[in-house]
Amino acid sequence: DAGVIQSPRHEVTEMGQEVTLRCKPISGHDYLFWYRQTMMRGLELLIYFNNNVPIDDSGMPEDRFSAKMPNASFSTLKIQPSEPRDSAVYFCASSLGGGADTQYFGPGTRLTVL
Amino acid sequence: TQLLEQSPQFLSIQEGENLTVYCNSSSVFSSLQWYRQEPGEGPVLLVTVVTGGEVKKLKRLTFQFGDARKDSSLHITAAQPGDTGLYLCAGFITSGTYKYIFGTGTRLKVLA
Repeated sequence: DAGVIQSPRHEVTEMGQEVTLRCKPISGHDYLFWYRQTMMRGLELLIYFNNNVPIDDSGMPEDRFSAKMPNASFSTLKIQPSEPRDSAVYFCASSLGGGADTQYFGPGTRLTVL
Repeated sequence: TQLLEQSPQFLSIQEGENLTVYCNSSSVFSSLQWYRQEPGEGPVLLVTVVTGGEVKKLKRLTFQFGDARKDSSLHITAAQPGDTGLYLCAGFITSGTYKYIFGTGTRLKVLA
């Protein structure tokens, strides 16, 4: 398997623009997670899905952030409008089951908002 | 607010030395995991511990889960340059709601 695939790997945009990050989980995995990593705050769980349904979005920082999972093989994280403080590395991860099941992380998308 | 504090934050040691990284919280975790992350990549799971007092070994790495399941340690024997990376602990809380929290991280550099 190719592992978790994320695109783009790097994104540079200007404040106020819409940003869409994409993720393809490992085939057969029922759980998908979106994380954000910064030097200041470390790795934070934003939202996770089970069988394409959002279960907990309490980590989403504000209404400017939204995530969807239209099918089992694709998810998006959208920021609209983007702000400089959104600059971070965004990771997608998937796991077969929930709980302590192994999460497999993608390579991340490095977002820079100018 | 649940928080997982790791110490030290940064560690630079010579090849062959031993080291211990700590992960502490006031919360009780049903399980705890350790990850290693290399630059430009996502974290990779090293181990999962689920029972208070549990000790697991992975080659030169020894992981321990505290008896009260509030803390954990990672001990590396005879560190090698290949051990360099960011080490993250992550705790899973099931009381009330599903919560998965990552620690603040320990950045390790092993010099040849």
